[in-house]
Amino acid sequence: GENVEQHPSTLSVQEGDSAVIKCTYSDSASNYFPWYKQELGKRPQLIIDIRSNVGEKKDQRIAVTLNKTAKHFSLHITETQPEDSAVYFCAASNQASGTYKYIFGTGTRLKVLA
Amino acid sequence: DGGITQSPKYLFRKEGQNVTLSCEQNLNHDAMYWYRQDPGQGLRLIYYSQIVNDFQKGDIAEGYSVSREKKESFPLTVTSAQKNPTAFYLCASSINDEQFFGPGTRLTVL
Repeated sequence: GENVEQHPSTLSVQEGDSAVIKCTYSDSASNYFPWYKQELGKRPQLIIDIRSNVGEKKDQRIAVTLNKTAKHFSLHITETQPEDSAVYFCAASNQASGTYKYIFGTGTRLKVLA
Repeated sequence: DGGITQSPKYLFRKEGQNVTLSCEQNLNHDAMYWYRQDPGQGLRLIYYSQIVNDFQKGDIAEGYSVSREKKESFPLTVTSAQKNPTAFYLCASSINDEQFFGPGTRLTVL
């Protein structure tokens, strides 16, 4: 079946360094890729998304890249800060199917060390 | 995302009991979803509904039931047939691409 693999499961970086989280999807028809941030005990919040007609998207310190050929997309956080510490989830969706159903990765726990 | 509410925030259930988790949205979204979240397993889809009076099973529907009688409401019942129901339950709604999540309900079976 469809699945999304996410790596690493945990990531620790020093404050100010960059963090990269990678996801690979199996359904070649996927065309929408959101990233969510979830703080402890809170709801997931969308931080950035990308569609299949775009290779890269940036929003301040956050960027996402997409390689459709490899079925691979990544989240890049630069100049990390302690408040970036959270669990990050990637997801893939085939909007053309009309269901808007997401397949989520298993999450990456990011710790930014001060 | 303040337009999606879930209640209660914490719920305790004795074995053998059915419990119903509430999810309400005032965003006028057509689609609604229920996810279960366990440590290290991400979000797994239980049920989803794209329109009133219609819903589809997700990946882990066994032991759960839903209804969608109103656009604003998508309650989830955890039945006694669900053998390991202790988890964090998240409801979401969407119109087009983005899914908006509710604050979640943490269910504990005693």
